Amino acid sequence: EAQVTQNPRYLITVTGKKLTVTCSQNMNHEYMSWYRQDPGLGLRQIYYSMNVEVTDKGDVPEGYKVSRKEKRNFPLILESPSPNQTSLYFCASSLSGSGEQFFGPGTRLTVL
Amino acid sequence: QKEVEQNSGPLSVPEGAIASLNCTYSDRGSQSFFWYRQYSGKSPELIMSIYSNGDKEDGRFTAQLNKASQYVSLLIRDSQPSDSATYLCAVNMRGFQKLVFGTGTRLLVSP
Repeated sequence: EAQVTQNPRYLITVTGKKLTVTCSQNMNHEYMSWYRQDPGLGLRQIYYSMNVEVTDKGDVPEGYKVSRKEKRNFPLILESPSPNQTSLYFCASSLSGSGEQFFGPGTRLTVL
Repeated sequence: QKEVEQNSGPLSVPEGAIASLNCTYSDRGSQSFFWYRQYSGKSPELIMSIYSNGDKEDGRFTAQLNKASQYVSLLIRDSQPSDSATYLCAVNMRGFQKLVFGTGTRLLVSP
């Protein structure tokens, strides 16, 4: 089954404790992206990657890191999480960077 | 001005009616336009894409694009309670790398 998977699905953590949210796709897509979704603000892009070892900032990259060492994986790293990073996070992928993106199930993160 | 604007709703329609959802965008150079459906607690799901002016039909869904007026709309015919969801308009700006979403319109279809 073609899919984008994210782990964990739910996470409660404390300020400053480093965490990683994994994202993996099995569709051989070149483009992958991370979004956060907040009430009233909609989906906002954090980082994206056009291919292996190619990443770039989206609209809200502050406080986040990403890496793309393999085509299928695109982890999101929060080195020192803060409460304003409490949000619903989605990973997405597409074949070639178009808007036809497939979304993962989401990760709900709470930073206390 | 927001890059992609949608009325947040809720838009309430009775079962069987036509639901009309609208979206405007600011970048006149945008080339690709998308509608995603998001059920409460779920991830967005692509339902329509449109790239040229005019109408594009897929089952009960019709996407309409007017680049001169910078708006895109989604019509849902014979609306069903299962269509109740938030509909997100998304626009590809500055090439293929950036997809900008509106905040979504919540649609409620009553039986």
